[in-house]
Amino acid sequence: DIVMTQSPDSLAVSLGERVTIKCKSSQSLLYSPYNKDYVSWYQHKAGQPPRLLIYWASTRESGVPDRFSGSGSGTDFTLAISSVQAEDVAIYYCQQYYTTPVTFGGGTKVEIK
Amino acid sequence: QVQLVQSGAEVTKPGASVKVSCKASGYTFTTYGIHWVRQAPGQRPEWMGWINVGRNTTKYSQRFQGRVTIKTDTSASTAHMELTSLTSEDTAIYYCARGPVSGFRELFYFNAWGQGTLVTVSS
Repeated sequence: DIVMTQSPDSLAVSLGERVTIKCKSSQSLLYSPYNKDYVSWYQHKAGQPPRLLIYWASTRESGVPDRFSGSGSGTDFTLAISSVQAEDVAIYYCQQYYTTPVTFGGGTKVEIK
Repeated sequence: QVQLVQSGAEVTKPGASVKVSCKASGYTFTTYGIHWVRQAPGQRPEWMGWINVGRNTTKYSQRFQGRVTIKTDTSASTAHMELTSLTSEDTAIYYCARGPVSGFRELFYFNAWGQGTLVTVSS
């Protein structure tokens, strides 16, 4: 199975600060014939189901605020929140869908100082 | 709007089976797939399998092969997941999630989720 490793495990930031979350895969997630990286990102707030933020590593899902962005290719990916808001408190997960079983990272908990 | 509404919490005993349902609304049920993802306490989410609703074909994680069955009732826009031979390690929140269907390479990301069903396995 492909292993997804996220860092950091948690972070506490002030409102308006930039947040960067890293995700590293144990093998390349770039499917060359399509030139697409099979990576998605989810936001999971307490007591709610997860919410898709990003797919194809950098495509924002409809309705997701533009302060969320995804980047990276191959084995290294990043989710950034340009100016964190109070409602962004959540656990964030990366996920690979390059092959089955699809697998998730261990999560990064974002809190406000 | 797209909604996936799951059945209620279950408490069951080791060795038993559990069945969780997921009723979809707000979109054409047969044009997407339905996945099942579970999350045990303190663990990362874990994909269990999916069904291509329109084609009625399934794919399961090897980890659950032989224990999980996913079916749909298209007349009711409802998907069902049954997990057998339960142990305490199956205690988790079980989510259904909608996923796109592709004619070529599988696209197993999840663009809508049910609210989750807590399954507790305890003697």
